[in-house]
Amino acid sequence: AQSVSQHNHHVILSEAASLELGCNYSYGGTVNLFWYVQYPGQHLQLLLKYFSGDPLVKGIKGFEAEFIKSKFSFNLRKPSVQWSDTAEYFCAIHGGSQGNLIFGKGTKLSVKP
Amino acid sequence: GAGVSQSPRYKVTKRGQDVALRCDPISGHVSLYWYRQALGQGPEFLTYFNYEAQQDKSGLPNDRFSAERPEGSISTLTIQRTEQRDSAMYRCASSPKGHLYGYTFGSGTRLTVV
Repeated sequence: AQSVSQHNHHVILSEAASLELGCNYSYGGTVNLFWYVQYPGQHLQLLLKYFSGDPLVKGIKGFEAEFIKSKFSFNLRKPSVQWSDTAEYFCAIHGGSQGNLIFGKGTKLSVKP
Repeated sequence: GAGVSQSPRYKVTKRGQDVALRCDPISGHVSLYWYRQALGQGPEFLTYFNYEAQQDKSGLPNDRFSAERPEGSISTLTIQRTEQRDSAMYRCASSPKGHLYGYTFGSGTRLTVV
């Protein structure tokens, strides 16, 4: 069965600090990978996605993620966070004939001004 | 419409009552998904449709839960004889077709069963 594991439940950073949120998945075949973000009081929004090609994917608002197949990982990074990045971040996968995305439990990011 | 619309935004119901949650997807979107999200958890898949056909309902927890999308547009998720454990945020998402473009989510319906 497919699954997604996000290592950190809650991350607290100061503005300008660098960010890396971990995401590991369990699936032996070809996967498509996603990061979604939920800002306070808002709905889930797509941040970036990986289907094939360059394993380093750039998304909106300066975020990027790197797919490392050998590690079954798709970590999210940002060189310098801002207070406005305070949100909850969800990693998701789609693999094989599964029709739906499978989400991790999420990581809450709090950025102190 | 411009986005995925869900109604009601909040629903408080007494245990044992039936509830119906509505999702109006983006116009023209073929695929429609229902997820449930408990506090501190990620979205958990319930069911999805392509057009009016329910493709997968393996995530529905039990036979009290059902969903329909009779005309391939608006969908209704119905929970019969609600229980306290049904309390959660119910999220609907739609996509042009499948997962290639990612999903567009609605704001969700917060269901509280008392």
